[in-house]
Amino acid sequence: GQQLNQSPQSMFIQEGEDVSMNCTSSSIFNTWLWYKQDPGEGPVLLIALYKAGELTSNGRLTAQFGITRKDSFLNISASIPSDVGIYFCAGQKGGGSNYKLTFGKGTLLTVNP
Amino acid sequence: NAGVTQTPKFQVLKTGQSMTLQCAQDMNHNSMYWYRQDPGMGLRLIYYSASEGTTDKGEVPNGYNVSRLNKREFSLRLESAAPSQTSVYFCASSIGRGTGELFFGEGSRLTVL
Repeated sequence: GQQLNQSPQSMFIQEGEDVSMNCTSSSIFNTWLWYKQDPGEGPVLLIALYKAGELTSNGRLTAQFGITRKDSFLNISASIPSDVGIYFCAGQKGGGSNYKLTFGKGTLLTVNP
Repeated sequence: NAGVTQTPKFQVLKTGQSMTLQCAQDMNHNSMYWYRQDPGMGLRLIYYSASEGTTDKGEVPNGYNVSRLNKREFSLRLESAAPSQTSVYFCASSIGRGTGELFFGEGSRLTVL
């Protein structure tokens, strides 16, 4: 099946630091999404990107849809303890039967107060 | 705002036993999904229902069956549980099949001994 390579697998940072993570694929996707999963909860959508080159912010979070449509990036500025969790990227090809999401394996973020 | 509700939240089964995970959404969404989450594997799609009356296999359907009971409810059944089905199961819904913007339940943790 399709694979998304998400990196890094885990990060341990100090409060206040900026964070960057990315997701790459050998296939083109028409939509990229970023989800966050708090411990013991289900994933929650953070940002959805629909156009190559698009840069979208949600508070301290900024995500970009790569120009090749094969990658996406998520940045978190000035991290705080509640940023702890697993961040998943997801891609959707779209059209016909290709609307199912493909998820990356996640980036586990730990923030040290 | 209930959103997506899953029951039970925790379950322990013996190998060979059967059980059904229940999921209901109150957002009038057309599409519903069942995922499993295993350490280091991300989220993998088991089955999905693009709309009421339809169901289709996802990435890992073996050992599972589903029923889209009505627009609100989508159940997942394990007919003869195996230890390999020990996992956290998430139900999700979306307004339609064309969007990757999913709303997840809180998860059901299943252990098969």
